[in-house]
Amino acid sequence: DAKTTQPNSMESNEEEPVHLPCNHSTISGTDYIHWYRQLPSQGPEYVIHGLTSNVNNRMASLAIAEDRKSSTLILHRATLRDAAVYYCILSPLGGFKTIFGAGTRLFVKA
Amino acid sequence: GAVVSQHPSRVICKSGTSVKIECRSLDFQATTMFWYRQFPKQSLMLMATSNEGSKATYEQGVEKDKFLINHASLTLSTLTVTSAHPEDSSFYICSADGTSGNNEQFFGPGTRLTVL
Repeated sequence: DAKTTQPNSMESNEEEPVHLPCNHSTISGTDYIHWYRQLPSQGPEYVIHGLTSNVNNRMASLAIAEDRKSSTLILHRATLRDAAVYYCILSPLGGFKTIFGAGTRLFVKA
Repeated sequence: GAVVSQHPSRVICKSGTSVKIECRSLDFQATTMFWYRQFPKQSLMLMATSNEGSKATYEQGVEKDKFLINHASLTLSTLTVTSAHPEDSSFYICSADGTSGNNEQFFGPGTRLTVL
């Protein structure tokens, strides 16, 4: 499985934008880029995914580099409820295993 | 959106007993479900892939005789921790494949198992 690299932790102020980076230099052409987040004592929840183009949804935006070797999850206005571990995961087309890395723990300060 | 439930949410048992955890897809059918284990301050570790109507596929290092998985219907998979010991205490999470074809997973809320 292609691997991803994320910073262990990041800190943000409430109501400011947050950019969470993810490197995936060994990504293949058919790998989807998925982001999940896990709040304390809960199961992970889907945030966003993309293949080649940037994506927006109600939760976040996903910016994918032109060479697809990195991506950035953007939370436009962080809230205290966004404090969680964010996981960037590569998932091959037709594959179904979701293998989690260490993720980035986001701290949000009031 | 797709919802996955788990039961129980929390269980405490004595060492040597067996514990069954249920994972249900509430508003969709899931031919494939996954079981994860998560220790404190660590990431999720995939234990096994549960396929409806067939045997589960276990990840390397996971004892299939200890962690029994049954996927009897398109909406229910169960994980039974047999002869549980304190080192089996963990947060167990299931997920199900979405139906959109983009490999999106829907996760249950998790089950906290404590073995005394």
